Amino acid sequence: DIQMTQSPSTLSASVGDRVTITCRASQNISTWLAWYQQKPGKAPNLLIYKASYLESGVPSRFSGSGSGTEFTLTISSLQPDDFATYYCQQYDTYSTFGHGTKVDIK
Amino acid sequence: EVQLLESGGGLVQPGGSLRLSCAASGFTFSGYAMTWVRRAPGKGLEWVSGISLSGASPYYADSVKGRLTISRDNSKNTLYLQMNSLRAEDTAEYYCAKGTGSYVYGPFDSWGQGTLVTVSS
Repeated sequence: DIQMTQSPSTLSASVGDRVTITCRASQNISTWLAWYQQKPGKAPNLLIYKASYLESGVPSRFSGSGSGTEFTLTISSLQPDDFATYYCQQYDTYSTFGHGTKVDIK
Repeated sequence: EVQLLESGGGLVQPGGSLRLSCAASGFTFSGYAMTWVRRAPGKGLEWVSGISLSGASPYYADSVKGRLTISRDNSKNTLYLQMNSLRAEDTAEYYCAKGTGSYVYGPFDSWGQGTLVTVSS
């Protein structure tokens, strides 16, 4: 099974900060990676697919990069609505999610 | 607007059964793979099961194989998850999610609000 390791598990940041979350795959997954945002009591929301493609309707401050085994999600300027938990997901071989990164207020 | 509405969750004893449903609207249901993803309390997301466009090909995580059965009724725009031999570790919020095409493993561009399954005596 492909394991997905996210870091950090928790990130404290302020409005306006540039935030970067990393996801590492245990084997090469090319660019078959997605990022989701989830808020308490809400369903996950797709942000990025195929490592770097922005889902329709998602603000341009979100961006994704990487290929192979190392990937990043970047929020260029953190907004109040962005405090949430973020998950990466590989869909190269079956499907595996990372354990999540909680972004909270510093 | 795509809408996915889950139902059928609840409290069940270990070894018991439940049937989850997901009513879909706002898109051509038969044109997309569908899946179930769960989130256990205090844990992350886990892909549980997916099904092909026609329903002929179901797929399962090893943790649920042989106990959970996914199905779909394209005439009713509804996805199902029959859950048998439930265990405490199946306790989770269960989400129905829509694929972006025919691939059952992701990505998932629309999700329901979830239905809570609690397995406890």
